[in-house]
Amino acid sequence: EVQLVQSGAEVRKPGESLRISCEGSGYSFTNYWIAWVRQMPGKGLEWVGIINPADSETRYSPSFQGQVTISVDKSLSTAYLQWRSLKASDTAIYYCATRPNFYYYLDVWGKGTTVIVSS
Amino acid sequence: EIVLTQSPGTLSLSPGERATLSCRASQSVNAQYYAWYQQKPGQAPRLLIYGASTRAPGIPERFSGSGFGTDYTLTISRLEPEDSAVYYCQQYGSSSWTFGQGTKVEIK
Repeated sequence: EVQLVQSGAEVRKPGESLRISCEGSGYSFTNYWIAWVRQMPGKGLEWVGIINPADSETRYSPSFQGQVTISVDKSLSTAYLQWRSLKASDTAIYYCATRPNFYYYLDVWGKGTTVIVSS
Repeated sequence: EIVLTQSPGTLSLSPGERATLSCRASQSVNAQYYAWYQQKPGQAPRLLIYGASTRAPGIPERFSGSGFGTDYTLTISRLEPEDSAVYYCQQYGSSSWTFGQGTKVEIK
């Protein structure tokens, strides 16, 4: 069974750094891009960015470029979303999801990681 | 960036009725790059439709998608109580992905 297992909920203070993870299993990790999607409390879905685990090619939404870093460790079949300096406005649920090569939809989703940034 | 506008914001219908959800793009989108998702409270989104009209595996036949250019539609032919959810459209274009703001479907 194809699965994405995301790391647990995090609570941080503004200005702190954070890295959350998304581990793929049940498939060849390098055959599917991994996207990150943000959902702020009570709001809709926003595309953060996407990475190709095969070669680490990464693309970001203009809204998130420079604000976060997406990376991958092929040996661990894990993708990461990282912040250097969190803001209260980063409070949200972050989902990872797979994108099949040559297609433009997200077919398998993780359960989401809740990030709370509060002083 | 292509903006997707969904309508209506909320749809309140009875079981067995037909639901028609609309998604309009700010510029023409390749239908192959168009998808619909369902999200229930406390759950991750689930892929329903991709390529504008192809049902994802395991999705009931009552869900169908259509459209081209700037106008796309998700139809639920006969609503079931479990269809109560928020539905999002999504497109890919110009190296960027965008989602619509969502349509909430309530079952009376």
